Amino acid sequence: NAGVTQTPKFRVLKTGQSMTLLCAQDMNHEYMYWYRQDPGMGLRLIHYSVGEGTTAKGEVPDGYNVSRLKKQNFLLGLESAAPSQTSVYFCASSWTAYQPQHFGDGTRLSIL
Amino acid sequence: AQSVTQPDIHITVSEGASLELRCNYSYGATPYLFWYVQSPGQGLQLLLKYFSGDTLVQGIKGFEAEFKRSQSSFNLRKPSVHWSDAAEYFCAVFNTNAGKSTFGDGTTLTVKP
Repeated sequence: NAGVTQTPKFRVLKTGQSMTLLCAQDMNHEYMYWYRQDPGMGLRLIHYSVGEGTTAKGEVPDGYNVSRLKKQNFLLGLESAAPSQTSVYFCASSWTAYQPQHFGDGTRLSIL
Repeated sequence: AQSVTQPDIHITVSEGASLELRCNYSYGATPYLFWYVQSPGQGLQLLLKYFSGDTLVQGIKGFEAEFKRSQSSFNLRKPSVHWSDAAEYFCAVFNTNAGKSTFGDGTTLTVKP
């Protein structure tokens, strides 16, 4: 039972570098989400998708892009990394918008 | 705007003692409510949810929560805490109008031996 798998688990980048975080789910969920978690700030929604080929902005979308070319995968891209993007990133998925979300174990990203 | 408030940033209880974590929300209609738990280095796991019906809901790991419309609250309780319950707990609310969920800032639970 893989559930939601995030790759990589850890990454260190230099300012200005780009990278892509991969999220894969094997539950055939329609909805997928990217969050960032910072101390004392809970979870903040970056982008989300309501189905294959769709994406939408969340609460803090600036500096990030996403794609959902396949239903099971949701990619989060950082075009030009900044130290303010140092965070723990979580991917989640759900059947519908109101059903509980299933979370991956996170990607810990440090930008120097 | 919808918001979720967890008034306690950090709570410490002794093992075997009872626990109550508070959650308040601001939302006009009856919301869909959730409690999640996050162990160190892991993602969030659903403890329980409330959609409608009985206002006292049971979850996994011996947790329960009570929806009180008059107080706009959805507090999480456990009669006897175990050391393994030490974690961060998040309350979440789904806003049917906006079509999105909002998470509280979390409460960190420490369990003393």
